[in-house]
Formats: sequence, structure tokens, C-alpha cells
Amino acid sequence: DAGVTQSPTHLIKTRGQQVTLRCSPKSGHDTVSWYQQALGQGPQFIFQYYEEEERQRGNFPDRFSGHQFPNYSSELNVNALLLGDSALYLCASSSLYRDQPQHFGDGTRLSIL
Amino acid sequence: EDQVTQSPEALRLQEGESSSLNCSYTVSGLRGLFWYRQDPGKGPEFLFTLYSAGEEKEKERLKATLTKKESFLHITAPKPEDSATYLCAVQANSGGSNYKLTFGKGTLLTVNP
Repeated sequence: DAGVTQSPTHLIKTRGQQVTLRCSPKSGHDTVSWYQQALGQGPQFIFQYYEEEERQRGNFPDRFSGHQFPNYSSELNVNALLLGDSALYLCASSSLYRDQPQHFGDGTRLSIL
Repeated sequence: EDQVTQSPEALRLQEGESSSLNCSYTVSGLRGLFWYRQDPGKGPEFLFTLYSAGEEKEKERLKATLTKKESFLHITAPKPEDSATYLCAVQANSGGSNYKLTFGKGTLLTVNP
């Protein structure tokens, strides 16, 4: 049973560029959340998608946007990258119907030069 | 605003030396408190969900407990493979429209052989 998968595992970008990160949820899950984890910190909630709609958003600027596809996979897009966007980006999936806990992938390590 | 504070920030134990990690929280109605384990370069791995004060859950050498203001993760006779960062997170019960997890910064546990 495949868990949450994220791609790519590592990415290096320069300031001002844009990036797209991808996530496939665990089998049977229909809800995807994205978190940003800076070094030495706990994950911070960016937003959650359910039924292809953004259902809740954390305190992140509009440069952060997302999308969910009919097969429940999701993308996180970040525009106009800043040095402070360097972090581990985590995707978590869950099943709203079963009220299960969120299960995380291993993340994408994004470095901004 | 939901807040989670974990202590200590780091804990070093000898193999077999039992101890406890603390998670203090403030939330406007608790829907659930979650414990995760995170290994270096990996995403958080789900351990436990606690829903109400007085609840306890156990898994191998780990036992999680919950009061109205804090949760403890007790580690009995730890082994070197228990070394990891342990994260605590809360989900508020805001009329059924809150889905985000609010995390603490974590406790880095090192168990020496």
C-alpha cells in the first residue's frame, strides 16, 4: 500500500523564479494538505484541498497557490521565490469521511539561491 | 490563536533510561491532539491521536496521555532506534470548519547505547 509520495525530492531555484511541487495521496484518501517546515521548526499549515477546492488557508501570501486534480493528487505552486522560502515542503493526506489523521510524505527540500 | 509548546527542546538519554516529553497547548476547543515522530530527512510519521482529557494510548515503548492543558509522551526503556524528533500537534474544533494542524517545534530525542 503506497503511502504519500512527493516529487521532486530536492530542488534548487534562484530568487524570482517559480516552482511547482507535486503530491500523490495515500490510497483511499481524498484530502490533501500542504505544510512548510523551516529548519528546526515544526510544520506550518499552508492550505488544504478537498473536492478540487481550497477549503482552508493558513497565513501565507498569495504567491503560494495550489490545485487538486480529479484523482486527488495535488500541486503546490510558489511564484516570485524569496530566500525565505527555502524549507522542506510537506504534503499530508487524509480521508474526511473516515476522520483519519493526516499522513505525511517525505517532502520536497527547496533551496533558494 | 492556537498554540503548542514542547519541552524540552532536546533530550539525551541512556539506553533503558525512561523519561517523558511535554506538550502544552492552548486551543479554542480541542478536536484532537496528535503525536508524530520525524527522522532526519523524512516526513512526520503518525503515532497517536488523543481526543479527550484522561485518554491514554500505547504503542511498544511509547505511551501518550492527555489532560485539559497538556499531553505527555512517556518513553519506557528507550532504545537507540527511538532517537528522532517528536512533534506534537493540535486540531481545533471550530464549528467543523477547521482542518489545519498546529505544530510545536518538537523535542529532539537522542538515546545513547
